[in-house]
Amino acid sequence: DTEVTQTPKHLVMGMTNKKSLKCEQHMGHRAMYWYKQKAKKPPELMFVYSYEKLSINESVPSRFSPECPNSSLLNLHLHALQPEDSALYLCASSPWTEPNSPLHFGNGTRLTVT
Amino acid sequence: SQQGEEDPQALSIQEGENATMNCSYKTSINNLQWYRQNSGRGLVHLILIRSNEREKHSGRLRVTLDTSKKSSSLLITASRAADTASYFCATEGGGGFKTIFGAGTRLFVKA
Repeated sequence: DTEVTQTPKHLVMGMTNKKSLKCEQHMGHRAMYWYKQKAKKPPELMFVYSYEKLSINESVPSRFSPECPNSSLLNLHLHALQPEDSALYLCASSPWTEPNSPLHFGNGTRLTVT
Repeated sequence: SQQGEEDPQALSIQEGENATMNCSYKTSINNLQWYRQNSGRGLVHLILIRSNEREKHSGRLRVTLDTSKKSSSLLITASRAADTASYFCATEGGGGFKTIFGAGTRLFVKA
């Protein structure tokens, strides 16, 4: 079991739907991350929040909208997605004490866009 | 863009054999990490080696780092079927607080 909890585990949505992915950690970490992973590929960084502020946006399309309501929670709001957005979405957290601090990952949300 | 590149892309060995995976990276780093991912699950941090370290051990894992060649290797000794997973190296992307993953090595250990 991981200390980073992601919900839902699976999500199927149509291209006109709006949905949200949720992530929660209670390790006191001050950085939280969203990664996207396609099959047989490495995770690709999407967003980084540090101290609840967006610090890195890797030129992600606006149909993905992150939100960090507090230091324990991270959301990813989805709207008007495309089938190519189907992937495993991974949330991670880290202490933010040094560059490349070890990441703690959740088990991801498997997203299918139809 | 990927900071780390790994080889081999896939590796199949018998239980009890050793498995070696290599990672190369492009820019200077503070540290390099290795992660493991079981199919359809999140990544698990295995080991971190700092730029001033040459070798580090953790149980059956041995990691080396050669900053002059910008390369690292992960050795898993006496492999077990349960070691079957994908293994990724990770380094800093531009700006320091990004963690960027290499392409990964898929390890299959046959019982």
